[in-house]
Amino acid sequence: AQKITQTQPGMFVQEKEAVTLDCTYDTSDPSYGLFWYKQPSSGEMIFLIYQGSYDQQNATEGRYSLNFQKARKSANLVISASQLGDSAMYFCAIINTGGFKTIFGAGTRLFVKA
Amino acid sequence: NAGVTQTPKFQVLKTGQSMTLQCAQDMNHNSMYWYRQDPGMGLRLIYYSASEGTTDKGEVPNGYNVSRLNKREFSLRLESAAPSQTSVYFCASRTFTGAVNTEAFFGQGTRLTVV
Repeated sequence: AQKITQTQPGMFVQEKEAVTLDCTYDTSDPSYGLFWYKQPSSGEMIFLIYQGSYDQQNATEGRYSLNFQKARKSANLVISASQLGDSAMYFCAIINTGGFKTIFGAGTRLFVKA
Repeated sequence: NAGVTQTPKFQVLKTGQSMTLQCAQDMNHNSMYWYRQDPGMGLRLIYYSASEGTTDKGEVPNGYNVSRLNKREFSLRLESAAPSQTSVYFCASRTFTGAVNTEAFFGQGTRLTVV
């Protein structure tokens, strides 16, 4: 069975600073995908970034980057130059080889301070 | 481009009542999903449909049924609502079942309260 663990229920960061949100996963599949989603207070789920298990390089999307350490089974999200609009819930998720089921972590609530 | 559309957005039910949550996507996606979101527990998969004509149980299927009506539509039914089913329900779709590198697109959610 697959599992995602996000150990930080809440995080604070000063505006314009970088922040790392932790995610560890457990899977026995050699092929899998890891995703991060953002959920602002309005409730919608917004896709941020993807990392494949066979990708050699860490994924980056604008201010978002993924610190992927396969041996440690971690896929931490790094947000650079935090903005007030980054305040939201962030979810890490994993999808299995067959691509059928996406499993989510419990989420981390990020607060960006002015 | 509507994406994934869920109806209704809000609903209050009495214990024992039944209802169906509707979901439709216009992106020609093969796979569709129903999740529930409870505080502190993230999103938990209720049921999914890998492709038209198939449905499978997720992590928390008890108390729910689903129907993949066609490629566009995937409904979730509560036959006899219970207070424990008070939650926010999300429908999602993905383009291709077998690939791991395609993200899910989500509807806006349905906030359901069972009293």
